[in-house]
Amino acid sequence: AQRVTQPEKLLSVFKGAPVELKCNYSYSGSPELFWYVQYSRQRLQLLLRHISRESIKGFTADLNKGETSFHLKKPFAQEEDSAMYYCALSVLTGFQKLVFGTGTRLLVSP
Amino acid sequence: DAEITQSPRHKITETGRQVTLACHQTWNHNNMFWYRQDLGHGLRLIHYSYGVQDTNKGEVSDGYSVSRSNTEDLPLTLESAASSQTSVYFCASSGGGGTQAFFGQGTRLTVV
Repeated sequence: AQRVTQPEKLLSVFKGAPVELKCNYSYSGSPELFWYVQYSRQRLQLLLRHISRESIKGFTADLNKGETSFHLKKPFAQEEDSAMYYCALSVLTGFQKLVFGTGTRLLVSP
Repeated sequence: DAEITQSPRHKITETGRQVTLACHQTWNHNNMFWYRQDLGHGLRLIHYSYGVQDTNKGEVSDGYSVSRSNTEDLPLTLESAASSQTSVYFCASSGGGGTQAFFGQGTRLTVV
């Protein structure tokens, strides 16, 4: 069965501090991993996906198949990064079906 | 601009009543999904559809049903609402094959 684990419910940091939101997955096939973000009172939106290997809003995530991880990182957190972050695994090609983790709330304080 | 919309945004209903949540997308996407969002559980898949007349059960489908009579709509029905179904419901759509998934604004349902 596919499973996504986000061990931290809440991550609280100060502005300018580095951020790492952890995500581990279990899947027997070749995974596609994503990070979605939900700002207060807004809909979920895609932040980044491992295939594109790009940096969005200063965030990066590297897929580590050996450790089955897809941690989200940002070197210098900003207050506007405060949001709920969900790691997700696609069990078929692309976005056919997404399995989500339980989410991590990031709180960036001034 | 293409979009995906849910209605209503908020709903209060009584235990035992039938409730239908609407989801409408103008992306012309084949794939549509319903999730519920609960504290401590993240988003859990209720039902999904890969095209007209196609529906599939997700991990928490008991007590819910969907129908797909056209590309644009995937209504979610709670046949007999229970307090355990109090949640925030999100609809999503994607074109498949690596295209981005888009989410609706969510519907907050309270069953009293």
